[in-house]
Order: sequence, then structure tokens, then C-alpha cells
Amino acid sequence: AAGVIQSPRHLIKEKRETATLKCYPIPRHDTVYWYQQGPGQDPQFLISFYEKMQSDKGSIPDRFSAQQFSDYHSELNMSSLELGDSALYFCASSPARPQTDNEKLFFGSGTQLSVL
Amino acid sequence: GNSVTQMEGPVTLSEEAFLTINCTYTATGYPSLFWYVQYPGEGLQLLLKATKADDKGSNKGFEATYRKETTSFHLEKGSVQVSDSAVYFCALREYSGAGSYQLTFGKGTKLSVIP
Repeated sequence: AAGVIQSPRHLIKEKRETATLKCYPIPRHDTVYWYQQGPGQDPQFLISFYEKMQSDKGSIPDRFSAQQFSDYHSELNMSSLELGDSALYFCASSPARPQTDNEKLFFGSGTQLSVL
Repeated sequence: GNSVTQMEGPVTLSEEAFLTINCTYTATGYPSLFWYVQYPGEGLQLLLKATKADDKGSNKGFEATYRKETTSFHLEKGSVQVSDSAVYFCALREYSGAGSYQLTFGKGTKLSVIP
């Protein structure tokens, strides 16, 4: 079965550079979430999209932006990278129009970003 | 706001020992509760879930019961294996409008099982 695909798997950048992370949700999943997990930390919610519009916003820095495209894939753009941005970035997707608490959420394997 | 508190690790057990990882939560409504597992170098995988009070989630020998009266969702396994070594995250999710469910995670508990 298809899963959530994230690319790249690993990314190394230097301070003040920019990075773009991509997430391809499971087919027919309309909702995408981004989470950031620092070393030894719990995942922190960044932002989510539903039907190509931002639906919720968490602790996403102003230096970051994200969008969901017409094919429902999403990109997280990160500018002026800082050392503290080094983390594992997870994307998750869920089916369209969740109606109940039985909504399913599927995580990708993450992109490991290292800022040097 | 919502929060999840789980026991701090690391937890080291011998193979076939009994496992309990405590998890309590604070939520404004009626959240769904989850346990996720993260194996070294991999992403989060859903281990089990419960969507309402007194529900029991179970998978791969792991169990957790949604206790509304004690706001708890403790993870248990009767006999752990070396392959269970991973980090376990307790999480809750509430609907936040516009089709968005936001997950709130605990800090994670690292489990190491030794032969």
C-alpha cells in the first residue's frame, strides 16, 4: 500500500541557507500536517493544510512557510536556517473531511535536516 | 491547553519482563488517545489507539485502556522482546476545526530490552 513519501530523506545545509522539504500524501488524502522533532524531543506541530488551504498553525517560525498544491502534495520552505532548526521533520496525511474521531493519520519517515 | 505527560525514561528491561509506560493527559474536550512507536532512524508509527472512554487499544501484544476518570492511557505489554526497543510516544488529538486534528505528544519514553 502507498504510504506518505517525504523527500529528501536527509538534507545538510549551512546557516542562513534555505531548504525545501516535500511531502507526498497517500492518494485521496486531503489533509497534510507538518511536525518538527528536535533531537531527543517530542514532535511539535508546525502547520496543517486541508484542501490546499492552511487549516491550523502551531509553533512554526516566521522564517518558515508552507503550502499545499493542487495535487495535494505539500512543501515546507525554510529560510535563514539556524543551527536550532536541525531536526527531523515529519509529514502526516489523513483522508478527506474527517467526520469522526476515527480519522486515520499516517506519518512519513521524515526528513532529517542538519544545519551546520 | 492540551498536554500529555508520560513517564521519563530510559526504561531498561530484560527480555520477557512486564512493561508499563504511564501516560496521563489534560484536554478540554473528549480527545482520542494514541501510542506511537519510533524505532531507531525511522518515523513515527501508530501502535494503538482508543477513541472514547473505556476503549482498549491493542496491537502486537501491547495494550492501553482509555481511563477518563483518571485521564490516563498507560501502555502495557506482558512480555517484551528485544525488538520492542524503541521510543514510545503517548499522544492525544482533538478536532481544531476546518478539518484539522492536531496531535499533542508526550516527551517520549525510550525503552531498551536486553537479552
